[in-house]
Amino acid sequence: AQTVTQSQPEMSVQEAETVTLSCTYDTSESNYYLFWYKQPPSRQMILVIRQEAYKQQNATENRFSVNFQKAAKSFSLKISDSQLGDTAMYFCAFMKHYVDSNYQLIWGAGTKLIIKP
Amino acid sequence: NAGVTQTPKFRVLKTGQSMTLLCAQDMNHEYMYWYRQDPGMGLRLIHYSVGEGTTAKGEVPDGYNVSRLKKQNFLLGLESAAPSQTSVYFCASSYPTPDRGGTGELFFGEGSRLTVL
Repeated sequence: AQTVTQSQPEMSVQEAETVTLSCTYDTSESNYYLFWYKQPPSRQMILVIRQEAYKQQNATENRFSVNFQKAAKSFSLKISDSQLGDTAMYFCAFMKHYVDSNYQLIWGAGTKLIIKP
Repeated sequence: NAGVTQTPKFRVLKTGQSMTLLCAQDMNHEYMYWYRQDPGMGLRLIHYSVGEGTTAKGEVPDGYNVSRLKKQNFLLGLESAAPSQTSVYFCASSYPTPDRGGTGELFFGEGSRLTVL
């Protein structure tokens, strides 16, 4: 069974610092997708960044980037120049690719990130 | 731009009562999902639907029923509420899966907080 582990329940950094959130997963599949979602205190979950396992290049979205290590089954999120608005729960998720277009997301337990002024 | 709308936002039930949570999306998405979120456990899939008139069980389906009579609506029912169903419920929808040209991104509602006394 696939599992997703986020080993840091909570982190806090000063504004403008760089922070890295860790995520590891367990799967025997070779083709899959990985996601980082953000859940601000307002509770609505939004997508931060997405990575396709067959792509070697790490995904980047503005201040957000990932370090995808397929062999190590690691998918960490780096937030550069952190801002107060980055304060949120961050969830790592793994999506298995089914050939019949049926799939499920497996979620980590989340990391609470607090950006301090 | 409404996106995914859940009603009600808050509800308090007594053990044994029934209720229905409504999810509506205006993005013409085929896929819809109901998740529950409990502290320290991330998101767990209750039921999902890959199209109008179809539903399937997720990870924790017991005690819940769903219906997808219209493409834009996905209803989650609790026939006889139990205190263990106290949780925050999230509805989500998505485009086709990556193998059908989509990105796999989920779009979430704001959540519904349910308390069962």
